[in-house]
Amino acid sequence: GENVEQHPSTLSVQEGDSAVIKCTYSDSASNYFPWYKQELGKRPQLIIDIRSNVGEKKDQRIAVTLNKTAKHFSLHITETQPEDSAVYFCAASTGTASKLTFGTGTRLQVTL
Amino acid sequence: EPEVTQTPSHQVTQMGQEVILRCVPISNHLYFYWYRQILGQKVEFLVSFYNNEISEKSEIFDDQFSVERPDGSNFTLKIRSTKLEDSAMYFCASSERQVTEAFFGQGTRLTVV
Repeated sequence: GENVEQHPSTLSVQEGDSAVIKCTYSDSASNYFPWYKQELGKRPQLIIDIRSNVGEKKDQRIAVTLNKTAKHFSLHITETQPEDSAVYFCAASTGTASKLTFGTGTRLQVTL
Repeated sequence: EPEVTQTPSHQVTQMGQEVILRCVPISNHLYFYWYRQILGQKVEFLVSFYNNEISEKSEIFDDQFSVERPDGSNFTLKIRSTKLEDSAMYFCASSERQVTEAFFGQGTRLTVV
C-alpha cells in the first residue's frame, strides 16, 4: 500500500520567515495530494491540495509543488504568522478508493 | 457552511464494552470515511463507504469493527468489544466525489478504561 513520509517533524520559524515541509510517497498511482492543518484538539482542515496533472498551485501565502517523477511534494508557507502555528499533515490518495494516507505530521511553531 | 458532525464528542467506556460512534456527513456527499488518530500520532485510515457498502478497509478495521448507514443521514462506526488500544480520536469524513476534498468532523475522543 501507499506510504507517505514527512519531514521535518518539528519546525520553528520566526514570524515573517518562510516554512517548507516536504513529503514523499511510494505509490506512483497516487493522484491527489492534500495538505491539512490541525490545531490542538481540533479537526484536520484542508488548506490546499494538488492533483497529479499539476506541478504547482498557490493560494495567497501558501503554495504546494509536486514532482511526480521523484514522488515528492512540498508545502511552502511565506510570511508566516503566529496563527500558522499548528500541526500540518500531508496526504496522498488514489482515485479508486479515495482513502487518504497521511504523513506523520510537522509541528510548526511561529515565534514572534 | 455545511459541516460533518459527530456525536458524542467524548466517550468513556470499559474494556470489552460495545460503543457506537455517530456521524452525520454533509448532505450531498457520497463517500464516507472513518479515520482514527492516537494521541500525538498521525491520522490513520480505517474504512471507506460508498453506495451502501464498504469500498476499502485497512488492517486496523478487523472483525471488531463495523460501519452502517442506517438511514439517509447517519453513518456509524461500531466497535464490538473495545480494547485499551482502541483509545483514540475517531474522525468521520465525507467527500462529494472521488479525489476531492474530504471534510472532517470534529472527532469523538474514545477512552477505554
